[in-house]
Amino acid sequence: GAVVSQHPSRVICKSGTSVKIECRSLDFQATTMFWYRQFPKQSLMLMATSNEGSKATYEQGVEKDKFLINHASLTLSTLTVTSAHPEDSSFYICSAREGGFNQPQHFGDGTRLSIL
Amino acid sequence: AQSVTQLDSHVSVSEGTPVLLRCNYSSSYSPSLFWYVQHPNKGLQLLLKYTSAATLVKGINGFEAEFKKSETSFHLTKPSAHMSDAAEYFCVVSSYGYNKLIFGAGTRLAVHP
Repeated sequence: GAVVSQHPSRVICKSGTSVKIECRSLDFQATTMFWYRQFPKQSLMLMATSNEGSKATYEQGVEKDKFLINHASLTLSTLTVTSAHPEDSSFYICSAREGGFNQPQHFGDGTRLSIL
Repeated sequence: AQSVTQLDSHVSVSEGTPVLLRCNYSSSYSPSLFWYVQHPNKGLQLLLKYTSAATLVKGINGFEAEFKKSETSFHLTKPSAHMSDAAEYFCVVSSYGYNKLIFGAGTRLAVHP
């Protein structure tokens, strides 16, 4: 149980392109979804938190207009990296949680984004 | 305030020997604690969780962890390491009033034949 599917697993595209990443909870309802960025050999950095039907809450320093998050249903959240540039290249990971703070987050397998 | 300190950035063990990954936490309220494992180019997999029930928590793949409030520790152990255990391990804390997880810096476990 508690499977989170993240697609695509890898994206390579040209600078200036917008890229959409999907995150789905397959067997539970995700009241809250999270988007992280991970740099090589580092821990995860939270970018934003979203609740179904509400606007996402972004962490300090994360550009809202650059990283658009939509949480349209209890099983789907999307992250769109708009007008991506090489500095946006990274490993992006989503997670989903059913319930409150004492429940674990379940993670997708991540998306490796490479901007040429 | 919440924080997590993983005391070792790298741990190296031989296959078949015990594993100990150390974690200390700080939390203003009663915490929920988690251990996750990350294999290369993958997301994080939940190993086990502590949420104020039994202090000795058993997880998947033979791992367990003991919550010690007096020492503010939540160390991860396994009696016998397998080659497949080689990965990055994260100790994570969450508590009432905080909607997000606080991650430790991670411990890279290497397992040698």
